[in-house]
Amino acid sequence: AQKITQTQPGMFVQEKEAVTLDCTYDTSDPSYGLFWYKQPSSGEMIFLIYQGSYDQQNATEGRYSLNFQKARKSANLVISASQLGDSAMYFCAMSGGSNYKLTFGKGTLLTVNP
Amino acid sequence: NAGVTQTPKFQVLKTGQSMTLQCAQDMNHNSMYWYRQDPGMGLRLIYYSASEGTTDKGEVPNGYNVSRLNKREFSLRLESAAPSQTSVYFCASGYSQPQHFGDGTRLSIL
Repeated sequence: AQKITQTQPGMFVQEKEAVTLDCTYDTSDPSYGLFWYKQPSSGEMIFLIYQGSYDQQNATEGRYSLNFQKARKSANLVISASQLGDSAMYFCAMSGGSNYKLTFGKGTLLTVNP
Repeated sequence: NAGVTQTPKFQVLKTGQSMTLQCAQDMNHNSMYWYRQDPGMGLRLIYYSASEGTTDKGEVPNGYNVSRLNKREFSLRLESAAPSQTSVYFCASGYSQPQHFGDGTRLSIL
């Protein structure tokens, strides 16, 4: 069985600063993927970044980077130069096995202060 | 470019009523999924369909049925709605790269 743990129910960051959202995972599958989604107050799920378990380098997408530490089973999301529009709920998720269904963490609510 | 389309967006039901949530995707994905999102619980998988003609139970399937009508469409049915099924329901499609989500259906059972 797969499990995702997000230990930070809420985080605060000042505008223009960097912030790290924590995610740890557990799985017995040798091949898996790790995802981060953003859910603003409007409710839609927005894909941010993906990391495959065999990828050698950390994934980056614009201001988002995924700090992948396989031995520690962590996949933290780093947002650089935070913006007010980054205020949202952030979910870490993983896929594995043959059907690639996603298992989600409970989320972290990020608030960016001006 | 519609992506994943869910209907309806909002619905209020009385306990014991039935209804079907519709989902369609136009990205030619093989796999489709139904999740529910409750406060403090994150998203939990109800059912999924790895390909046309197949469906499998997820983490919380009780009280639901699904139909994979064709490659594009995957419906979720509540046969006898219960207050515990009040939630936001998301349909998603994809393969290995990120699953694409619909905008959700906010369902209230009174």
